[in-house]
Amino acid sequence: ETGVTQTPRHLVMGMTNKKSLKCEQHLGHNAMYWYKQSAKKPLELMFVYSLEERVENNSVPSRFSPECPNSSHLFLHLHTLQPEDSALYLCASSPGPGTRYEQYFGPGTRLTVT
Amino acid sequence: LAKTTQPISMDSYEGQEVNITCSHNNIATNDYITWYQQFPSQGPRFIIQGYKTKVTNEVASLFIPADRKSSTLSLPRVSLSDTAVYYCLVGRTGANNLFFGTGTRLTVIP
Repeated sequence: ETGVTQTPRHLVMGMTNKKSLKCEQHLGHNAMYWYKQSAKKPLELMFVYSLEERVENNSVPSRFSPECPNSSHLFLHLHTLQPEDSALYLCASSPGPGTRYEQYFGPGTRLTVT
Repeated sequence: LAKTTQPISMDSYEGQEVNITCSHNNIATNDYITWYQQFPSQGPRFIIQGYKTKVTNEVASLFIPADRKSSTLSLPRVSLSDTAVYYCLVGRTGANNLFFGTGTRLTVIP
């Protein structure tokens, strides 16, 4: 248990669906992250939020839309996804942004796009 | 952006010490070196972090030479449960160079 929870743990969606992934951290951290991990590929940073402000968008397609309503919650809204978007989506938090701080990861959401 | 280079995979027998080396030739003065461990279908877990010389905790040791262009993660007496992917990251406060790279897949053999 890392103090970072993600729901749902598994999600299957069609290419025309709209769904959202939720992340919540109970650690009092100020930075939150979304990562994507495809099969046998390294972790790819998608978005970084610091104090609810987006500070990094790593060239992610617009079909992925993040939302950070407060420092404890982070959402990833999904629409019109492609099969190649199937992956493990990981949320993380840290006291501040940047690799100097230890990141705490959630268990991930396994997404399958059919 | 300080990119890192690690061996893709390593095998080790149970009970042996394992050393995984990471190269980071472009490391900047303010960069720290951090190692994470990841099991299949789980998020990475922090192992250790250091700036120079040697750092040790209950899990591992981190050796950093004076020029800081490389670092070595040392896992003492590995067990089967240490089979995982190990990532080396280099970065600093406020910078968003969160590049995990391909990591090193360690397989511990009985």
